[in-house]
Amino acid sequence: NAGVMQNPRHLVRRRGQEARLRCSPMKGHSHVYWYRQLPEEGLKFMVYLQKENIIDESGMPKERFSAEFPKEGPSILRIQQVVRGDSAAYFCASSMALSFTDTQYFGPGTRLTVL
Amino acid sequence: TQLLEQSPQFLSIQEGENLTVYCNSSSVFSSLQWYRQEPGEGPVLLVTVVTGGEVKKLKRLTFQFGDARKDSSLHITAAQPGDTGLYLCAGGAGTSYGKLTFGQGTILTVHP
Repeated sequence: NAGVMQNPRHLVRRRGQEARLRCSPMKGHSHVYWYRQLPEEGLKFMVYLQKENIIDESGMPKERFSAEFPKEGPSILRIQQVVRGDSAAYFCASSMALSFTDTQYFGPGTRLTVL
Repeated sequence: TQLLEQSPQFLSIQEGENLTVYCNSSSVFSSLQWYRQEPGEGPVLLVTVVTGGEVKKLKRLTFQFGDARKDSSLHITAAQPGDTGLYLCAGGAGTSYGKLTFGQGTILTVHP
């Protein structure tokens, strides 16, 4: 039973380029969450999506960041015109359904480095 | 804004010692998860607690959820070098669907 998959595991971009991070949830999971872990900081919530819908994007920066979870295919976190401050580990998590336990299962992360 | 204060931030002990990590908040959470994260990897779920006063045991690890569901603790008995890692607590608020609030983490080092 495959877990949450993320790719690429490592991504290097120059300032001004675009970064696309992909996440495939666990089989049977229809809820996807993105978190960011900055150096020396804890995990911070960014966005929560269900298939074709953004449910909560209260943690997303107002500009340059967007997320989608199409009917078919993985969830995508897109960062346009990256800056050095975007360098971080980005984690995707998934859950089976909206449940009282809120349990989420995390992927291995994508380490983004902006040169 | 809900916050989770995790302490201590760093813990360095000898093999065989016991330790406790605390996770505290002024807010009530509907659930509390504990994760362990290895360098270069994602957090791996250890346990979820949902009932005030709940105690769960996982081999040498004991997890407790406070009666008021505002705090939690992780106790490790007879720590081993394999327990070394980053331990994270995360709270789910129920009404903030899907949004987990994480503590800053505790870096545990167990020396042989």
